[in-house]
Amino acid sequence: AQKITQTQPGMFVQEKEAVTLDCTYDTSDQSYGLFWYKQPSSGEMIFLIYQGSYDEQNATEGRYSLNFQKARKSANLVISASQLGDSAMYFCAMRDPASGAGSYQLTFGKGTKLSVIP
Amino acid sequence: NAGVTQTPKFRVLKTGQSMTLLCAQDMNHEYMYWYRQDPGMGLRLIHYSVGEGTTAKGEVPDGYNVSRLKKQNFLLGLESAAPSQTSVYFCASSYASDGREDSGTDTQYFGPGTRLTVL
Repeated sequence: AQKITQTQPGMFVQEKEAVTLDCTYDTSDQSYGLFWYKQPSSGEMIFLIYQGSYDEQNATEGRYSLNFQKARKSANLVISASQLGDSAMYFCAMRDPASGAGSYQLTFGKGTKLSVIP
Repeated sequence: NAGVTQTPKFRVLKTGQSMTLLCAQDMNHEYMYWYRQDPGMGLRLIHYSVGEGTTAKGEVPDGYNVSRLKKQNFLLGLESAAPSQTSVYFCASSYASDGREDSGTDTQYFGPGTRLTVL
């Protein structure tokens, strides 16, 4: 069963506007962690932001924020004031205690390709 | 700090050949990981290590071996490469977990990747 679902294969956003990238997850655990990574065309994986399941406030990191709705099991990434350099693949990931590797494994979604239009 | 580095960046192998991918980190991280990324997919864990001299299997370990002789290095070996192992390989490292599933202490930081093609 798919643990992380990113329903938007591709998204377009106008420069300087905000954009939300969707992520829903499936877990029966009460304690878990959610991560977002950015992969530009150069290929590296860049850590953006983290949200713990017991965090009462949504995580923020500069222009990145996480819209965490625990009851809906969603952890959407919001990028404010988009820049051309934000064009990249974005992956949502969850620490997956139920996997064979336990808490050491991150389970990734298939990603959303964001294109920022000048 | 260089962070996490990987050697080589690109490699082409013929079926049956062997090779070793090297990962090095200078952040004094306890944990290290090897992932592979295939087109249209996220990353999948191959093997991981929670300390020098220890290794464990991840989600897709078949056809790979690993060693962690030094804390800063994590090697991924392919003994007999197959076309199905054509992929982009990422190494990552993190601090040790504090035992809480909802903690961000062991956030994983990735290297630049190695693109491997097996013909």
